[in-house]
Amino acid sequence: GAGVSQSPSNKVTEKGKDVELRCDPISGHTALYWYRQSLGQGLEFLIYFQGNSAPDKSGLPSDRFSAERTGGSVSTLTIQRTQQEDSAVYLCASSNRYAGANVLTFGAGSRLTVL
Amino acid sequence: EDQVTQSPEALRLQEGESSSLNCSYTVSGLRGLFWYRQDPGKGPEFLFTLYSAGEEKEKERLKATLTKKESFLHITAPKPEDSATYLCAVQAARGSTLGRLYFGRGTQLTVWP
Repeated sequence: GAGVSQSPSNKVTEKGKDVELRCDPISGHTALYWYRQSLGQGLEFLIYFQGNSAPDKSGLPSDRFSAERTGGSVSTLTIQRTQQEDSAVYLCASSNRYAGANVLTFGAGSRLTVL
Repeated sequence: EDQVTQSPEALRLQEGESSSLNCSYTVSGLRGLFWYRQDPGKGPEFLFTLYSAGEEKEKERLKATLTKKESFLHITAPKPEDSATYLCAVQAARGSTLGRLYFGRGTQLTVWP
């Protein structure tokens, strides 16, 4: 597609429920990134993919968070047993480079609210 | 540990009043320093990449510069449409976090008429 697409744009859920956030990167981009942005905070790195593998997933805050990427394209970030502190905007970005200086193109984000 | 600090946190300018935003960084060898603009409710939008000390890049009223320890985003004669949060990020050239970008918290710029 022309840009990075994320869905849903907004998600309200109850504490303890599982949520899935989807990212559709720019066609041909091999690298895909997930960041989290909380109110008043900077972008917090979660994980990135090169193809379908995740060389660095050290930013995932707990084992309740997981992510996968299939076909070198779409990625899903899953949060199990959501907590109120998980409320944030989850941003996905893609890039056509990995080892060089990376220009990331971001999606509009998925705003997650945990009640 | 790789870190990025931006200042000020917020800046209010009158239209036409030039100023600069600061980004100081520590990184294990710099692969690139990036400036992004973020509007409310949107994802960050790429502005510039700088690779080495002494480099400068310009786009309309914005000019980014880089030294070995910091980068400046100079805004000349700003307009209200320049109001946004400006984010700085760095990418390390070495180490296990090779592909990761580290972001600062941003400077929220407001330009009033």
